[in-house]
Amino acid sequence: GQQLNQSPQSMFIQEGEDVSMNCTSSSIFNTWLWYKQEPGEGPVLLIALYKAGELTSNGRLTAQFGITRKDSFLNISASIPSDVGIYFCAGFDRGSTLGRLYFGRGTQLTVWP
Amino acid sequence: ETGVTQTPRHLVMGMTNKKSLKCEQHLGHNAMYWYKQSAKKPLELMFVYSLEERVENNSVPSRFSPECPNSSHLFLHLHTLQPEDSALYLCASSQVFRDEQYFGPGTRLTVT
Repeated sequence: GQQLNQSPQSMFIQEGEDVSMNCTSSSIFNTWLWYKQEPGEGPVLLIALYKAGELTSNGRLTAQFGITRKDSFLNISASIPSDVGIYFCAGFDRGSTLGRLYFGRGTQLTVWP
Repeated sequence: ETGVTQTPRHLVMGMTNKKSLKCEQHLGHNAMYWYKQSAKKPLELMFVYSLEERVENNSVPSRFSPECPNSSHLFLHLHTLQPEDSALYLCASSQVFRDEQYFGPGTRLTVT
C-alpha cells in the first residue's frame, strides 16, 4: 500500500505557541484530510483539502494541499491545552473500487499550560 | 444519536470466546468500514462495505467475520482471537466514492 510519512512523531509545546506538522507521500492523492484523535475516542475530521495549492482554515487550524499533490501540512496557531491529541493526515486515492484513505502514523501533540 | 456509534466501548474476551462488535451510522451514508488501530502503527483498513456488499477484505484472518445487514449497521463477529488482536477497532462511514470518512469512538478490545 501507499506510505505516508508524517512528522514530527511528537511535539511538546507551551500554551500559546504555534505548531506545524506535515505529511509526505511517494504517490499523488486526490484529497488530503486531517483528523484529530483524543484519548479513548475515534478520529474526528478537522479539515479536507481538494485541490493542489488549496489553503483552508478552520478556526486556529490552517492546512495546505501541496502543489505536487504529494504533501500537505497542518498549522495550529496560539495552541491551547485542549489541542492535545494525536493528529493524523490521510490521503485519498480515487484509483481503487471505492477510493481509499491512507493514513500517516500520527503526530502526538502535548501542550503545557 | 448522531454520527457514528459503536458498542461496546470496551471488551475483554478470552481466546475461546465469541463476541460481536456493533456499529451504527446516523449520517445517511452508504459505505461503511472497519479499521484496526494498534499502538505505533498506521490505521489498518480491514473491510469495506458499499451498499451492503463487501467490496474489500484486506487479507484479514477468518477469525474476523463482518456483516452488513443494511446501510446503517455494521457488525464484526469475533471468534478464537489471539492476544495480538488486542487493539482499538474503529468503524467509519462515508458516501460511496467520497473521501470524507467519519469515525465512531471505537471499541477497545483486549484478548486474554
